[in-house]
Amino acid sequence: ETGVTQSPTHLIKTRGQQVTLRCSSQSGHNTVSWYQQALGQGPQFIFQYYREEENGRGNFPPRFSGLQFPNYSSELNVNALELDDSALYLCASSVRGRTDTQYFGPGTRLTVL
Amino acid sequence: DAKTTQPTSMDCAEGRAANLPCNHSTISGNEYVYWYRQIHSQGPQYIIHGLKNNETNEMASLIITEDRKSSTLILPHATLRDTAVYYCIVRVTSNFGNEKLTFGTGTRLTIIP
Repeated sequence: ETGVTQSPTHLIKTRGQQVTLRCSSQSGHNTVSWYQQALGQGPQFIFQYYREEENGRGNFPPRFSGLQFPNYSSELNVNALELDDSALYLCASSVRGRTDTQYFGPGTRLTVL
Repeated sequence: DAKTTQPTSMDCAEGRAANLPCNHSTISGNEYVYWYRQIHSQGPQYIIHGLKNNETNEMASLIITEDRKSSTLILPHATLRDTAVYYCIVRVTSNFGNEKLTFGTGTRLTIIP
């Protein structure tokens, strides 16, 4: 059984650019949640995807968007990058309707210059 | 989700039991207590969760008080690899999802050789 994977590991962008981060969920998991973790802080919930639809959103602007694919993998897209978007982006997968425990990937470190 | 209170930092000698406390005095009857840990710059790792009974797995034990207002995570024989930030989270779980994790600042546990 493979765990949650994320790509890329690290990414450097400049202000105003757009970025796409990818997540492959753990085998058999149908739900993906995304979190942003700024330096020295705990992770903050961005949104969750289930059955290819957004199912809950935290306090993040619309320039943060996502997709979930039929194989349950997911993308996080951020438009018009700002310096404050520099963070570790984490995805977590879980099984809706069972234990619902979220298992995290290793994260993508995004630096915005 | 109920708010949790944890000490900012703790030290524990290698080989001894590490006992990490968490207060969640406003927990609701349908909220579980979850513990995760995060080793520097990695994704959070699920440790254990419980509702009202004590729980034990291969990683740790979770002791929840009878009134459910506090809990203690016990790492029975701490090793240097247990040095991490430990997060106590309370959340609802259901078959209908959208159950985000709300992280606080956690407890930074340092295992001393």
